[in-house]
Amino acid sequence: DAGVTQSPTHLIKTRGQQVTLRCSPKSGHDTVSWYQQALGQGPQFIFQYYEEEERQRGNFPDRFSGHQFPNYSSELNVNALLLGDSALYLCASSWRALAGGGRNEQFFGPGTRLTVL
Amino acid sequence: AQSVSQHNHHVILSEAASLELGCNYSYGGTVNLFWYVQYPGQHLQLLLKYFSGDPLVKGIKGFEAEFIKSKFSFNLRKPSVQWSDTAEYFCAVTGQAGTALIFGKGTTLSVSS
Repeated sequence: DAGVTQSPTHLIKTRGQQVTLRCSPKSGHDTVSWYQQALGQGPQFIFQYYEEEERQRGNFPDRFSGHQFPNYSSELNVNALLLGDSALYLCASSWRALAGGGRNEQFFGPGTRLTVL
Repeated sequence: AQSVSQHNHHVILSEAASLELGCNYSYGGTVNLFWYVQYPGQHLQLLLKYFSGDPLVKGIKGFEAEFIKSKFSFNLRKPSVQWSDTAEYFCAVTGQAGTALIFGKGTTLSVSS
């Protein structure tokens, strides 16, 4: 059983560019959450998708957007990249996260390391 | 707003020493508490979790944590650490913010053999 997978592993972009990161959830999971982990910090919640809709959003600007597909996979898009967007982007999947009231375990992928020059 | 504080940024121990990592959260309502671990080169994985009931919870690899509601704390403990416990440890909470995990900044544990 494959766990959560993310692509690409590493990415280098320049300021002002746009980037798309991809995530495939663990088999049987229907909810995908995205987190940003800056160097030396804990992961910060960006948003969560369930049934192809954004259900919760953290304190991130509109430059961060996402999508969930019918097969539950998800994309994170960041527009107008800033130097401060350099971080490890983590995807986490869970099953029926909303129904579980925050108790359902979230399984994390290996992350995509984004460097903005 | 909900927040999590981990007081120890870097802890260095010798094998067989006892471990306690501190975690405090800011929200006084119903919360769900988690400890995640990230071993070098690996994914974040769940160590243990607390929702309700017995405030002393046991997780994988001999770790345990105690929930003390009056202190808003959820400290992680292990009686005797091993070299393989070298990792970064994150305390996290869900609750007021819904199902989003709110993480602390993490504690790096280095265990020397």
